[in-house]
Amino acid sequence: QVQLQQSGPGLVKPSQTLSLTCAISGDSVSSNSAAWNWIRQSPSRGLEWLGRTYYRSKWYNDYAVSVKSRITINPDTSKNQFSLQLNSVTPEDTAVYYCAREIAARENWFDPWGQGTLVTVSS
Amino acid sequence: DIQLTQSPSFLSASVGDRVTITCRASQGISSYLAWYQQKPGKAPKLLIYAASTLQSGVPSRFSGSGSGTEFTLTISSLQPEDFATYYCQQLNSYLYTFGQGTKLEIK
Repeated sequence: QVQLQQSGPGLVKPSQTLSLTCAISGDSVSSNSAAWNWIRQSPSRGLEWLGRTYYRSKWYNDYAVSVKSRITINPDTSKNQFSLQLNSVTPEDTAVYYCAREIAARENWFDPWGQGTLVTVSS
Repeated sequence: DIQLTQSPSFLSASVGDRVTITCRASQGISSYLAWYQQKPGKAPKLLIYAASTLQSGVPSRFSGSGSGTEFTLTISSLQPEDFATYYCQQLNSYLYTFGQGTKLEIK
């Protein structure tokens, strides 16, 4: 059974960097049939996909246009986890952040999801 | 980006009712659609993928249909544990998007 365990601070100051980690058990971050995603949820934006990393003979990343200039998602094969960094945060980045595995078959889907981390951007 | 519009946004129903939620895409997405259930304080849970394939362990009272731009999620006989918010998600292009959600409440 695949499980994702999120960790990271719940409070970040404006202009600083939001950093979260998602530890994987029961699968590999280097899997050729999965991708590893970050999504956030807020009352104003609803569920918003942020980006993903995946391995297909080499590492790839895709990012949402809305955060492309500020986001980095990195795999860590030594710890079987992946991370999210979002730079120059503002209060609009306050949200619950989720990681999720994407199964990459003929059609794709997200399962499972991490438990979620509420990140508040405030001084 | 592909926009997804769910209707209704709010739905009031009783235990035992049959309910249907609709998700419309702004352009054709074939069958690249998933449905999720979310309860307060919890992460979304996968119900259906590829528009109509029931995820393992999900009760058979849930079903999905549709392709192209119009999709439906049907719950054949509501149970108390089904009162939650439901979201559709398109996975046709990697700029994935979600519907705004349908909150299902007890009448």
